[in-house]
Amino acid sequence: EAQVTQNPRYLITVTGKKLTVTCSQNMNHEYMSWYRQDPGLGLRQIYYSMNVEVTDKGDVPEGYKVSRKEKRNFPLILESPSPNQTSLYFCASSQTSGRNDEQFFGPGTRLTVL
Amino acid sequence: GNSVTQMEGPVTLSEEAFLTINCTYTATGYPSLFWYVQYPGEGLQLLLKATKADDKGSNKGFEATYRKETTSFHLEKGSVQVSDSAVYFCALMGWSSASKIIFGSGTRLSIRP
Repeated sequence: EAQVTQNPRYLITVTGKKLTVTCSQNMNHEYMSWYRQDPGLGLRQIYYSMNVEVTDKGDVPEGYKVSRKEKRNFPLILESPSPNQTSLYFCASSQTSGRNDEQFFGPGTRLTVL
Repeated sequence: GNSVTQMEGPVTLSEEAFLTINCTYTATGYPSLFWYVQYPGEGLQLLLKATKADDKGSNKGFEATYRKETTSFHLEKGSVQVSDSAVYFCALMGWSSASKIIFGSGTRLSIRP
Protein backbone atom coordinates (compact mmCIF):
# COMPACT_ATOMS: atom_id res chain seq x y z
CA GLU A 1 0.00 0.00 0.00
CA ALA A 2 1.32 3.42 -0.99
CA GLN A 3 1.73 5.48 2.13
CA VAL A 4 3.63 7.98 4.23
CA THR A 5 4.41 6.80 7.74
CA GLN A 6 5.46 8.85 10.74
CA ASN A 7 6.75 7.81 14.14
CA PRO A 8 5.95 8.34 16.87
CA ARG A 9 2.29 9.30 16.57
CA TYR A 10 2.26 10.88 20.01
CA LEU A 11 5.13 12.26 22.05
CA ILE A 12 5.34 14.13 25.34
CA THR A 13 8.77 15.47 26.20
CA VAL A 14 10.48 18.16 28.26
CA THR A 15 12.18 21.36 27.23
CA GLY A 16 15.68 20.85 25.87
CA LYS A 17 15.57 17.09 25.32
CA LYS A 18 16.56 16.35 21.73
CA LEU A 19 14.06 14.37 19.71
CA THR A 20 13.59 13.02 16.19
CA VAL A 21 10.34 12.38 14.36
CA THR A 22 10.80 9.93 11.52
CA CYS A 23 9.04 10.07 8.15
CA SER A 24 9.18 7.43 5.45
CA GLN A 25 7.42 7.05 2.09
CA ASN A 26 7.27 3.99 -0.16
CA MET A 27 6.25 5.71 -3.42
CA ASN A 28 9.73 6.68 -4.65
CA HIS A 29 8.75 10.34 -4.42
CA GLU A 30 11.37 13.01 -4.95
CA TYR A 31 9.74 15.78 -2.96
CA MET A 32 9.15 15.63 0.79
CA SER A 33 8.20 18.27 3.33
CA TRP A 34 7.29 18.88 6.95
CA TYR A 35 4.39 21.00 8.21
CA ARG A 36 3.08 22.02 11.56
CA GLN A 37 -0.62 22.53 12.16
CA ASP A 38 -1.79 24.97 14.80
CA PRO A 39 -5.36 26.10 15.55
CA GLY A 40 -6.43 29.01 13.36
CA LEU A 41 -3.17 28.98 11.39
CA GLY A 42 -3.68 26.07 9.03
CA LEU A 43 -0.56 24.22 7.94
CA ARG A 44 2.75 26.00 7.79
CA GLN A 45 5.75 24.52 6.03
CA ILE A 46 8.85 23.93 8.14
CA TYR A 47 11.34 22.43 5.68
CA TYR A 48 11.20 20.74 2.33
CA SER A 49 13.44 18.57 0.20
CA MET A 50 13.48 18.42 -3.58
CA ASN A 51 15.61 15.25 -3.63
CA VAL A 52 18.35 13.39 -1.79
CA GLU A 53 20.79 15.78 -0.12
CA VAL A 54 18.72 18.81 -1.22
CA THR A 55 16.82 20.57 1.57
CA ASP A 56 15.57 24.11 2.08
CA LYS A 57 13.74 26.21 4.64
CA GLY A 58 10.01 26.69 4.57
CA ASP A 59 8.09 29.40 6.37
CA VAL A 60 8.83 28.44 9.98
CA PRO A 61 12.23 26.65 10.12
CA GLU A 62 13.53 28.09 13.40
CA GLY A 63 14.29 25.40 15.97
CA TYR A 64 14.16 22.52 13.49
CA LYS A 65 16.62 20.53 11.42
CA VAL A 66 16.13 17.97 8.69
CA SER A 67 18.23 15.61 6.62
CA ARG A 68 17.64 13.64 3.43
CA LYS A 69 20.26 10.94 3.13
CA GLU A 70 17.93 8.47 1.43
CA LYS A 71 15.07 9.11 -0.93
CA ARG A 72 12.47 7.43 1.25
CA ASN A 73 13.30 9.03 4.61
CA PHE A 74 13.05 12.61 5.81
CA PRO A 75 13.45 12.91 9.60
CA LEU A 76 12.60 16.06 11.54
CA ILE A 77 14.98 16.90 14.35
CA LEU A 78 14.35 19.17 17.29
CA GLU A 79 17.75 19.74 18.92
CA SER A 80 16.39 21.63 21.93
CA PRO A 81 12.58 21.58 21.96
CA SER A 82 10.66 24.42 23.56
CA PRO A 83 6.99 24.68 24.58
CA ASN A 84 6.17 26.82 21.50
CA GLN A 85 6.96 23.77 19.38
CA THR A 86 3.99 21.95 20.87
CA SER A 87 1.96 21.21 17.77
CA LEU A 88 0.65 18.62 15.32
CA TYR A 89 3.27 17.73 12.72
CA PHE A 90 2.70 16.28 9.28
CA CYS A 91 5.12 14.86 6.79
CA ALA A 92 4.13 14.89 3.12
CA SER A 93 5.55 13.67 -0.17
CA SER A 94 4.85 14.09 -3.86
CA GLN A 95 6.30 12.72 -7.08
CA THR A 96 8.03 16.01 -7.84
CA SER A 97 7.72 19.61 -6.74
CA GLY A 98 5.51 20.26 -9.75
CA ARG A 99 2.51 22.50 -9.19
CA ASN A 100 0.05 19.83 -10.24
CA ASP A 101 1.44 16.98 -8.18
CA GLU A 102 -0.74 15.71 -5.36
CA GLN A 103 0.86 15.72 -1.93
CA PHE A 104 0.39 12.61 0.19
CA PHE A 105 0.31 13.18 3.94
CA GLY A 106 1.32 11.03 6.85
CA PRO A 107 -1.08 10.48 9.78
CA GLY A 108 0.52 13.16 11.95
CA THR A 109 2.61 13.33 15.12
CA ARG A 110 1.19 15.15 18.11
CA LEU A 111 4.06 16.64 20.09
CA THR A 112 3.77 18.19 23.54
CA VAL A 113 6.80 19.96 25.02
CA LEU A 114 6.51 20.64 28.74
CA GLY B 1 3.09 37.17 -1.41
CA ASN B 2 0.63 34.40 -2.08
CA SER B 3 -2.14 33.77 0.44
CA VAL B 4 -5.39 31.90 0.94
CA THR B 5 -8.39 33.04 2.96
CA GLN B 6 -11.23 30.69 3.78
CA MET B 7 -14.35 31.10 5.83
CA GLU B 8 -14.00 30.50 9.50
CA GLY B 9 -15.81 27.64 11.11
CA PRO B 10 -17.14 25.71 12.62
CA VAL B 11 -19.92 25.09 10.16
CA THR B 12 -22.77 22.90 11.36
CA LEU B 13 -25.40 21.60 8.94
CA SER B 14 -28.13 18.99 8.91
CA GLU B 15 -27.79 15.94 6.72
CA GLU B 16 -28.81 16.55 3.08
CA ALA B 17 -28.27 20.31 3.38
CA PHE B 18 -26.40 22.29 0.72
CA LEU B 19 -22.81 23.15 1.57
CA THR B 20 -20.67 26.09 0.54
CA ILE B 21 -17.25 26.82 2.03
CA ASN B 22 -15.79 30.04 0.68
CA CYS B 23 -12.17 30.36 -0.37
CA THR B 24 -10.42 33.34 -1.95
CA TYR B 25 -6.80 33.71 -2.86
CA THR B 26 -4.11 36.24 -3.63
CA ALA B 27 -1.42 35.21 -6.06
CA THR B 28 0.53 36.40 -9.05
CA GLY B 29 0.26 34.54 -12.31
CA TYR B 30 -1.80 31.38 -12.53
CA PRO B 31 -1.66 29.26 -9.40
CA SER B 32 -3.02 25.75 -9.04
CA LEU B 33 -5.84 25.48 -6.49
CA PHE B 34 -6.70 22.58 -4.21
CA TRP B 35 -9.13 21.43 -1.56
CA TYR B 36 -7.80 18.99 1.00
CA VAL B 37 -9.88 17.18 3.62
CA GLN B 38 -8.75 16.00 7.06
CA TYR B 39 -10.89 13.38 8.77
CA PRO B 40 -10.60 13.03 12.56
CA GLY B 41 -7.25 11.61 13.61
CA GLU B 42 -5.89 11.42 10.07
CA GLY B 43 -3.61 13.34 7.75
CA LEU B 44 -4.82 15.49 4.88
CA GLN B 45 -6.09 13.95 1.66
CA LEU B 46 -6.52 15.66 -1.66
CA LEU B 47 -10.22 16.14 -2.36
CA LEU B 48 -10.09 17.98 -5.68
CA LYS B 49 -7.98 20.40 -7.67
CA ALA B 50 -8.08 22.84 -10.59
CA THR B 51 -5.06 24.05 -12.49
CA LYS B 52 -6.38 26.83 -14.73
CA ALA B 53 -9.11 29.41 -14.90
CA ASP B 54 -12.68 28.09 -15.33
CA ASP B 55 -11.57 24.52 -14.52
CA LYS B 56 -13.98 22.64 -12.27
CA GLY B 57 -12.58 20.09 -9.87
CA SER B 58 -14.94 17.42 -8.57
CA ASN B 59 -14.82 14.35 -6.35
CA LYS B 60 -17.20 12.49 -4.01
CA GLY B 61 -20.03 14.91 -4.86
CA PHE B 62 -17.94 17.98 -4.03
CA GLU B 63 -17.20 20.63 -6.66
CA ALA B 64 -15.17 23.81 -6.90
CA THR B 65 -14.64 26.12 -9.86
CA TYR B 66 -11.48 28.17 -10.43
CA ARG B 67 -12.74 31.76 -10.84
CA LYS B 68 -9.91 34.06 -11.79
CA GLU B 69 -12.11 37.13 -12.08
CA THR B 70 -13.14 36.84 -8.43
CA THR B 71 -9.97 35.00 -7.28
CA SER B 72 -12.16 32.36 -5.67
CA PHE B 73 -12.38 28.58 -5.39
CA HIS B 74 -15.49 27.92 -3.30
CA LEU B 75 -16.25 24.34 -2.28
CA GLU B 76 -19.83 23.11 -2.78
CA LYS B 77 -21.82 19.96 -2.26
CA GLY B 78 -25.50 19.56 -2.97
CA SER B 79 -26.40 17.13 -0.18
CA VAL B 80 -24.02 16.52 2.70
CA GLN B 81 -23.78 13.35 4.74
CA VAL B 82 -22.66 12.70 8.30
CA SER B 83 -19.52 11.08 6.86
CA ASP B 84 -18.53 14.48 5.38
CA SER B 85 -17.77 15.79 8.86
CA ALA B 86 -14.12 16.85 8.71
CA VAL B 87 -11.82 19.84 8.42
CA TYR B 88 -11.49 21.28 4.90
CA PHE B 89 -8.44 23.21 3.72
CA CYS B 90 -8.21 25.38 0.66
CA ALA B 91 -4.69 25.61 -0.76
CA LEU B 92 -2.73 27.03 -3.65
CA MET B 93 0.56 26.33 -5.32
CA GLY B 94 2.07 29.31 -7.02
CA TRP B 95 3.07 29.60 -10.62
CA SER B 96 6.61 30.68 -9.90
CA SER B 97 7.32 28.89 -6.63
CA ALA B 98 6.20 25.37 -7.35
CA SER B 99 7.94 23.91 -4.35
CA LYS B 100 5.63 25.51 -1.80
CA ILE B 101 1.95 24.89 -1.20
CA ILE B 102 0.10 27.46 0.91
CA PHE B 103 -2.86 26.41 3.02
CA GLY B 104 -5.79 28.33 4.39
CA SER B 105 -6.59 28.08 8.08
CA GLY B 106 -9.15 25.29 7.63
CA THR B 107 -12.91 25.08 8.13
CA ARG B 108 -14.37 22.50 10.47
CA LEU B 109 -17.60 21.00 9.17
CA SER B 110 -20.01 19.04 11.37
CA ILE B 111 -23.08 17.32 9.94
CA ARG B 112 -26.03 16.45 12.19
CA PRO B 113 -28.00 13.29 11.41
